[in-house]
Amino acid sequence: KQEVTQIPAALSVPEGENLVLNCSFTDSAIYNLQWFRQDPGKGLTSLLLIQSSQREQTSGRLNASLDKSSGRSTLYIAASQPGDSATYLCAVKGEEDYKLSFGAGTTVTVRA
Amino acid sequence: ETGVTQSPTHLIKTRGQQVTLRCSSQSGHNTVSWYQQALGQGPQFIFQYYREEENGRGNFPPRFSGLQFPNYSSELNVNALELDDSALYLCASSWGLGGYTFGSGTRLTVV
Repeated sequence: KQEVTQIPAALSVPEGENLVLNCSFTDSAIYNLQWFRQDPGKGLTSLLLIQSSQREQTSGRLNASLDKSSGRSTLYIAASQPGDSATYLCAVKGEEDYKLSFGAGTTVTVRA
Repeated sequence: ETGVTQSPTHLIKTRGQQVTLRCSSQSGHNTVSWYQQALGQGPQFIFQYYREEENGRGNFPPRFSGLQFPNYSSELNVNALELDDSALYLCASSWGLGGYTFGSGTRLTVV
């Protein structure tokens, strides 16, 4: 059974600081890994999708890396802004099943 | 390109009642999956439909059931509602091995 862990559970930083969010998974047999953002009480917004054959993906201030063999992914957010305050979730799609397995998320607060 | 649309956005039901949640998938996506998200937790997989057939199910009892229609829209039905069914229900659509697009969710409160 795939287990996904996100550390830390919560993070508070001053505006302008770079953010580093970690995600680890127990089964390395994955098709892809996806990072999502969730605002309170809202749905999930996809940020980045990394296929298992890729090492990283970038979009604007966001960069996500994937080390499949060690079961780890890291989301970097450069020069954080108050608008980046949200919960960030990582999810992996396994090779053997039909579902996304999610971590519990990291709740980020960026202080102005 | 339309996204994933869910209805209703909020719902209050009494314990023991039945509820139907609806989802319209993103254009071009033939797979729909449903997730339950309790407060403070990550979403949990309920089931997935591909071409109108259920092709995967999580650890949820049979009172959770679903349908997918020829236009790839979907319904989630929950019978005999329990207080613990109170959660945010998320619908996601996908195609092949691509990423998932989620809707805004339906907040279900069981009283």
